[in-house]
Amino acid sequence: QKEVEQNSGPLSVPEGAIASLNCTYSDRGSQSFFWYRQYSGKSPELIMFIYSNGDKEDGRFTAQLNKASQYVSLLIRDSQPSDSATYLCAVKGKTSYDKVIFGPGTSLSVIP
Amino acid sequence: DAEITQSPRHKITETGRQVTLACHQTWNHNNMFWYRQDLGHGLRLIHYSYGVQDTNKGEVSDGYSVSRSNTEDLPLTLESAASSQTSVYFCASSESLAGQETQYFGPGTRLLVL
Repeated sequence: QKEVEQNSGPLSVPEGAIASLNCTYSDRGSQSFFWYRQYSGKSPELIMFIYSNGDKEDGRFTAQLNKASQYVSLLIRDSQPSDSATYLCAVKGKTSYDKVIFGPGTSLSVIP
Repeated sequence: DAEITQSPRHKITETGRQVTLACHQTWNHNNMFWYRQDLGHGLRLIHYSYGVQDTNKGEVSDGYSVSRSNTEDLPLTLESAASSQTSVYFCASSESLAGQETQYFGPGTRLLVL
């Protein structure tokens, strides 16, 4: 069974620090990787997606992918209290018919 | 603007009743999904559809059914509600093209089965 695992959390960081969220996946054929943010009581919203090995930066967010190690991470620089949320890692296989598998999420709390 | 809506947003029902949760998207996406989210379990896939008249079972499909008669709607029916089906239900949709698989989620429906 294909699995996606994340830090159990909760993760607490001081405001202004770098928050590092990690995710590992079991299906070596996975091709698409997503990070969603979910505020309490709200629905998940996409922050970033990454398809290729290496880093992808978008503002304060950087996604890092290492397919050989089956590992994807999300770095949040200059963390803000508004970043406090649960972050869901999601992984999808190579074909359009593969389902997206979500990890259990990591709760992040940014302390002012 | 395109969007995905769910109704009702909150529902209280009794054990054994049939309940239907609506999901409507204006993205014109082929793919639609129903998830439930419970503490400690994350998002679990109930049913999904890759197009009109296509439906497929997810990992937790027992007690649920869906039908897809048009592109915009994928209603989820609980045939005979059970207390174990108390949860938050999210509908999502996505493109079917490789590289366009980002899922867009509805606001969710909180269901309480008494």
